[in-house]
Amino acid sequence: DVKVTQSSRYLVKRTGEKVFLECVQDMDHENMFWYRQDPGLGLRLIYFSYDVKMKEKGDIPEGYSVSREKKERFSLILESASTNQTSMYLCASSRGGRHVNYGYTFGSGTRLTVV
Amino acid sequence: DAKTTQPPSMDCAEGRAANLPCNHSTISGNEYVYWYRQIHSQGPQYIIHGLKNNETNEMASLIITEDRKSSTLILPHATLRDTAVYYCIVERGNTGKLIFGQGTTLQVKP
Repeated sequence: DVKVTQSSRYLVKRTGEKVFLECVQDMDHENMFWYRQDPGLGLRLIYFSYDVKMKEKGDIPEGYSVSREKKERFSLILESASTNQTSMYLCASSRGGRHVNYGYTFGSGTRLTVV
Repeated sequence: DAKTTQPPSMDCAEGRAANLPCNHSTISGNEYVYWYRQIHSQGPQYIIHGLKNNETNEMASLIITEDRKSSTLILPHATLRDTAVYYCIVERGNTGKLIFGQGTTLQVKP
């Protein structure tokens, strides 16, 4: 069964900490995505990547960065965590490069709380 | 960007067909319509997608109008486990990016 695995289901961090959220997929997918999901706001795209070492900003990249050194791994980095980054973070992957016509596979999410 | 409009909530009786509508009047000719669902506390799950022809798979059917301005997701025999938020999404201009709206909360009732 194909999988997108997020390293932590729940995470609690302090304000100002540097936080790494890890995502690994075993499907040899080219595309990987990071979303955050908040009540009333739905899923919002933070960053995405079409290939190794490539990254592009989504709709809400401020306060985040990403790293994709290997095809299967896409990391989301909160340089200095703030309370307004408390959220559910969802990673997804898909086939197809830039012109994707295939569905996404999502991970189970990481619920991050910044205190 | 093509936007989608869905009713915020719907009810369906268990065993009956659930028909979830979506309007996407600004869709472009090369943009696909995708449907996902999200069961509480899980990541969204892919259901089906289409361009202009009707599509069917083991989960659902997708009916797209001829002018492509709207579509309907059909769950032929809804079960209690189909209770979820259903998202209708138009792929943003062949970029591979899916932009999620608020979705429809489907409540399947016994």
